[in-house]
Amino acid sequence: QKEVEQDPGPLSVPEGAIVSLNCTYSNSAFQYFMWYRQYSRKGPELLMYTYSSGNKEDGRFTAQVDKSSKYISLFIRDSQPSDSATYLCAMTGSNFGNEKLTFGTGTRLTIIP
Amino acid sequence: DAGVTQSPTHLIKTRGQQVTLRCSPKSGHDTVSWYQQALGQGPQFIFQYYEEEERQRGNFPDRFSGHQFPNYSSELNVNALLLGDSALYLCASSFTPTNEKLFFGSGTQLSVL
Repeated sequence: QKEVEQDPGPLSVPEGAIVSLNCTYSNSAFQYFMWYRQYSRKGPELLMYTYSSGNKEDGRFTAQVDKSSKYISLFIRDSQPSDSATYLCAMTGSNFGNEKLTFGTGTRLTIIP
Repeated sequence: DAGVTQSPTHLIKTRGQQVTLRCSPKSGHDTVSWYQQALGQGPQFIFQYYEEEERQRGNFPDRFSGHQFPNYSSELNVNALLLGDSALYLCASSFTPTNEKLFFGSGTQLSVL
């Protein structure tokens, strides 16, 4: 069993819809949680970074962490065609926030105009 | 401001050969991490360099080695290439290992025939 599980999709939604992306994990040592966006033929780009359980909002993006359920989510409001990309969750149990990240397999998202 | 730059962008090698990939971190960054991303998978952590030393290492064999230079640039070397080494190799940099913002380059696509 992988440490981080992520539905690979693909996921297609109409423009303006709310998108929900999720990951589950098994390692209770994970304490920093991230969401990255990766466009085709590009490297991942950090979208959200959270520590411990709770919500964090940044513009149209909201990240949720539920450590008791080992479940993290990313919500995208008012989705735009430019949001079409692969979304990767990542996490680490390191005392330092960017060391030795463990990634999910990524969810490919398409926003239909 | 140049971001993380990697060279070459594409590379074709045959089994048993050796390869060297190069990375220049984002200006002001002193920490470099390397990740391997197989097709349809999330990136896997190879190792991280800081102050010219390997700080952390993932589950990769000794065929994978690296180096960091005084100007913070880095190289990834892979010896005795296997077909399974075919992947996108991503370099990421940050301002110290403790900073949560990790910036990725666009990667080097390595094909082993």
